[in-house]
Amino acid sequence: NAGVTQTPKFRVLKTGQSMTLLCAQDMNHEYMYWYRQDPGMGLRLIHYSVGEGTTAKGEVPDGYNVSRLKKQNFLLGLESAAPSQTSVYFCASIKAEFVGENQPQHFGDGTRLSIL
Amino acid sequence: GENVEQHPSTLSVQEGDSAVIKCTYSDSASNYFPWYKQELGKRPQLIIDIRSNVGEKKDQRIAVTLNKTAKHFSLHITETQPEDSAVYFCAASRRTGRRALTFGSGTRLQVQP
Repeated sequence: NAGVTQTPKFRVLKTGQSMTLLCAQDMNHEYMYWYRQDPGMGLRLIHYSVGEGTTAKGEVPDGYNVSRLKKQNFLLGLESAAPSQTSVYFCASIKAEFVGENQPQHFGDGTRLSIL
Repeated sequence: GENVEQHPSTLSVQEGDSAVIKCTYSDSASNYFPWYKQELGKRPQLIIDIRSNVGEKKDQRIAVTLNKTAKHFSLHITETQPEDSAVYFCAASRRTGRRALTFGSGTRLQVQP
């Protein structure tokens, strides 16, 4: 069990370039999340998915798009990167096994993204 | 939406002393409150969590208390050690719906040997 795997781990982009961050989990989790963490701040929710084929916006969705074509993968896309998107991106997942039951989120190791 | 405030932003203690970090939340429907420890360049690691039907939970040197009426919860670390030095985050979420976490802004804990 690898848990939650994020690729790439590091990336440097130029303003205006596009890229896709991949999050893969092998725990058969239904819920998946993308957060960003800026220096000195807590994580903020970008987008989330409650199941294959469904996505929704979080608190800071502007400039990002997501897709969940397969249950195990959640992709985060930057169509035209901006310096304000320089951040550390974390993916997380939980299983919706028990209705009304809270479960700890499993985090990936993060992707450190710099936009020049 | 939910708003979580955390304080202090920095905390320095002597080895062996206790450390207390406090958080308040705004959404009365929140019912899950985890605490994460994050070391430099690493992912957040869950250290303890508490659900709204419990007022206190303890795990060795770490304890969390929850006051639902006042909407605040606290992390207590006793007998601190240098390896406890890290950034600690509180968070809150609902049991239903999107279940996403709303994080506090973090507390940098420094344990002086």
